[in-house]
Amino acid sequence: GAVVSQHPSRVICKSGTSVKIECRSLDFQATTMFWYRQFPKQSLMLMATSNEGSKATYEQGVEKDKFLINHASLTLSTLTVTSAHPEDSSFYICSATTGYSSYNEQFFGPGTRLTVL
Amino acid sequence: AQRVTQPEKLLSVFKGAPVELKCNYSYSGSPELFWYVQYSRQRLQLLLRHISRESIKGFTADLNKGETSFHLKKPFAQEEDSAMYYCALKGGANNLFFGTGTRLTVIP
Repeated sequence: GAVVSQHPSRVICKSGTSVKIECRSLDFQATTMFWYRQFPKQSLMLMATSNEGSKATYEQGVEKDKFLINHASLTLSTLTVTSAHPEDSSFYICSATTGYSSYNEQFFGPGTRLTVL
Repeated sequence: AQRVTQPEKLLSVFKGAPVELKCNYSYSGSPELFWYVQYSRQRLQLLLRHISRESIKGFTADLNKGETSFHLKKPFAQEEDSAMYYCALKGGANNLFFGTGTRLTVIP
């Protein structure tokens, strides 16, 4: 099946620094990639939808200047958490899909655990 | 606005017993619903989608528009079914909105 990778799997950073998380579709071209955030024992919350070559669409309440998303190619999307603070500590998960039909499955990455000290 | 509700955070059943994981939704458009599963230490993966009307690993789910429900059922639970199950609703931009999940434990 299709594989989505994320790098790094775990990152610890100091408050005020920026962190970049990569999401790659390894064996397919993803027209759309999604970024989710998951707090402990809670559900996945969609943060933004990213289409290759265009600006990401952010969900209500998600600061686009804080969570910068770049989708430069059909196999790579990046999420940069700028000026990270402890409240940004969370599990970030990306997914990728090849189309808009419900038959186009979303494939999920393994997630990146961010801890901000 | 779209919303997915899974009322049970935890569900335990004995092996061989029937299992039903509840999911209710609210959505102004025509709903497209999915069940995702996350086994221990694995990534989230699609279990089934309502448009396919399929049975995967013995699980089925029927979309009931009248009751706005999409409950997941299996007649005989197996130990390997123990996992976290998420009901999800597809939004207009092909994005997914997830319920809070139900952790199913099948007791041997």
